[in-house]
Amino acid sequence: DAGITQSPRHKVTETGTPVTLRCHQTENHRYMYWYRQDPGHGLRLIHYSYGVKDTDKGEVSDGYSVSRSKTEDFLLTLESATSSQTSVYFCAISEGVDTEAFFGQGTRLTVV
Amino acid sequence: GQQLNQSPQSMFIQEGEDVSMNCTSSSIFNTWLWYKQDPGEGPVLLIALYKAGELTSNGRLTAQFGITRKDSFLNISASIPSDVGIYFCAGQSTGGFKTIFGAGTRLFVKA
Repeated sequence: DAGITQSPRHKVTETGTPVTLRCHQTENHRYMYWYRQDPGHGLRLIHYSYGVKDTDKGEVSDGYSVSRSKTEDFLLTLESATSSQTSVYFCAISEGVDTEAFFGQGTRLTVV
Repeated sequence: GQQLNQSPQSMFIQEGEDVSMNCTSSSIFNTWLWYKQDPGEGPVLLIALYKAGELTSNGRLTAQFGITRKDSFLNISASIPSDVGIYFCAGQSTGGFKTIFGAGTRLFVKA
């Protein structure tokens, strides 16, 4: 398995609170991604990174921010969590821009 | 934006049966990918297709990249209980971060 660790694996938080999810990789891959998975929608890209401090928005980026200060870590922050952000969040990595992505095990976030 | 239509949404089959699922799009893709997700896990890549018309197998799995570059199918032969899970197709334009995922096909296999 690709060395991807997501933390926490589960989190329950209250509406309006900030939340940060962490993705850590040991593969030294350049590209890192955050997706959310919701029933009927498959996986939708939130943000991605193409290098340290290089990030860009994906399909559903509103309400989310990211940071990548080191190659191995990609953080996803919900500045003020809302119930619509209840979802399962997956981090993924890829060596190249057109190569296969490997996924972490996911973080189940519930906003109450 | 780009969308993938994956069908069927779910399938209930008997062990030993063959399974077929497909994805279609109004857009052209350069790469088609098929992933499987087990409960509580992240998706795992099964097959990658890079060329229109390409037919690739991985054990009991066979996938094809449609000639029009707008569709792909995945076949599973002689299904077994561990085939249970959600299968996702994904289309990739130039630039991997433009990968678009289908909504998934949930497969149930009865022993």
